[in-house]
Amino acid sequence: SQQGEEDPQALSIQEGENATMNCSYKTSINNLQWYRQNSGRGLVHLILIRSNEREKHSGRLRVTLDTSKKSSSLLITASRAADTASYFCATVTSGTYKYIFGTGTRLKVLA
Amino acid sequence: DVKVTQSSRYLVKRTGEKVFLECVQDMDHENMFWYRQDPGLGLRLIYFSYDVKMKEKGDIPEGYSVSREKKERFSLILESASTNQTSMYLCASSSATTYEQYFGPGTRLTVT
Repeated sequence: SQQGEEDPQALSIQEGENATMNCSYKTSINNLQWYRQNSGRGLVHLILIRSNEREKHSGRLRVTLDTSKKSSSLLITASRAADTASYFCATVTSGTYKYIFGTGTRLKVLA
Repeated sequence: DVKVTQSSRYLVKRTGEKVFLECVQDMDHENMFWYRQDPGLGLRLIYFSYDVKMKEKGDIPEGYSVSREKKERFSLILESASTNQTSMYLCASSSATTYEQYFGPGTRLTVT
């Protein structure tokens, strides 16, 4: 099956630094979303960007989307220890309600 | 707040047993989903439903079936549990118009 890929698989930064993670996908999409998962719990939705948008902001989050390269990036600015979690991108395939999740980036923010 | 609940946080079953995992959402969402999550593989879609009594296969439906008799409830059934179905199972729901998925806390199933 087709699967998104996140890069890097793991990231460790100091509190206050910015964290950038990338996602690549294979299908034609309606939208792309980013989710956070804390330590074995359910996922929490962070932000959605539609296929006709190039950039979106929400608080300390900035998402970009390049449909020609089939890639997206998530930037978390001024990171905090509480941002320590796994981050997943998910694409919604055009014309369906089918979501395809990436394998995730494990972010560790050191206080 | 949207709430998605799953019937158990932890479950231990024996090989060959029939297993029911239940998911309930309280936001009148049209769409409901079952995923399994395994280390290094991310979330993989098992089945989803976009309406009562409607279902569609995801990427890994083999060994699973689902039931959606009421809009708020989506059940995942393992007809004959096997050890390779040991995993974290996550249920989610979403509106047909907003696409944002809301997840339950997950059920960690161990098949021995």
